[in-house]
Amino acid sequence: EIVMTQSPATLSVSPGERATLSCRASQSITSDLAWYQQKPGQAPRLLIYGASTRAAGFPARFSGSGSGTDFTLTIRSLQSEDFAVYFCQQYNAWPRTFGQGTKVESK
Amino acid sequence: QVQLQESGPGLVKPSQTLSLTCTVSGGSISSGDYYWSWIRQSPGKGLEWIAYIYNSESTDYNPSLKSRVFISIDKSKNQFSLKLTSVTAADTAVYYCVRGRGWLQPFDPWGQGALVTVSS
Repeated sequence: EIVMTQSPATLSVSPGERATLSCRASQSITSDLAWYQQKPGQAPRLLIYGASTRAAGFPARFSGSGSGTDFTLTIRSLQSEDFAVYFCQQYNAWPRTFGQGTKVESK
Repeated sequence: QVQLQESGPGLVKPSQTLSLTCTVSGGSISSGDYYWSWIRQSPGKGLEWIAYIYNSESTDYNPSLKSRVFISIDKSKNQFSLKLTSVTAADTAVYYCVRGRGWLQPFDPWGQGALVTVSS
C-alpha cells in the first residue's frame, strides 16, 4: 500500500502568519491527493483535491501544490477558525491511505 | 445536499460482531458513480479506509481487515452497512461512513461518525 507521511506533527503558528504543511507519498500518486480539515469532535472535511483545487466553502487563503510524491498545503494569514488537524490522503490506488495528520495550533 | 448518518451499538464485546448502518439522505444511494465507504479513526492507527461498495454489488476491502469485514447495501432503505467480526480492543474507533465521489476522487461528504468501543 502507499504510505503517506506528513510533517511536522505539530505546527505552532501565530494568527495572521503563514502555515506550511508537507505530505509525502511512498510512490508517485500524480495529483491524486486530497487534504482534509478536522476540528475537535467533528468529521474530517474535504479541503483540497486534485492536489490544488479548493473544495466549496473554503477561502482562498488555503492553497495546495505538488505532484508525484511531494505535496504542500499552505494557509496564508491564519485565522482563529483554521486551528485544526489537517490530513492528506491519496486516492491513486486502493487501499486509500491517509497521513497521520498535522495539528496546527496557536502559538 | 447529500448527508450521511451512522447508527449502531456504541459498545461491543470482544469476539463479537460490530454492525453499523449508514443512512443516506438528500440523494439516492443508487444514482451516480459513487464508492460508498467506511473509514475508521483511532488514536493508534489514525484514519484507516475499511471497505467500499460500488454500483450496489462491487466491493473491495482493506487487506488488513479483509478476512473479518463485510459491506452491503439496501437500496430500498437508502442505506449501506458494515459488519466486522471477531472484534478486539484494537477495533475501538470512531467509524465514519463516507461517499467516494468516483474511482479517482476523494471522499466527500463524511458522516458525523460513530464511536464504537470494544470492551467486556
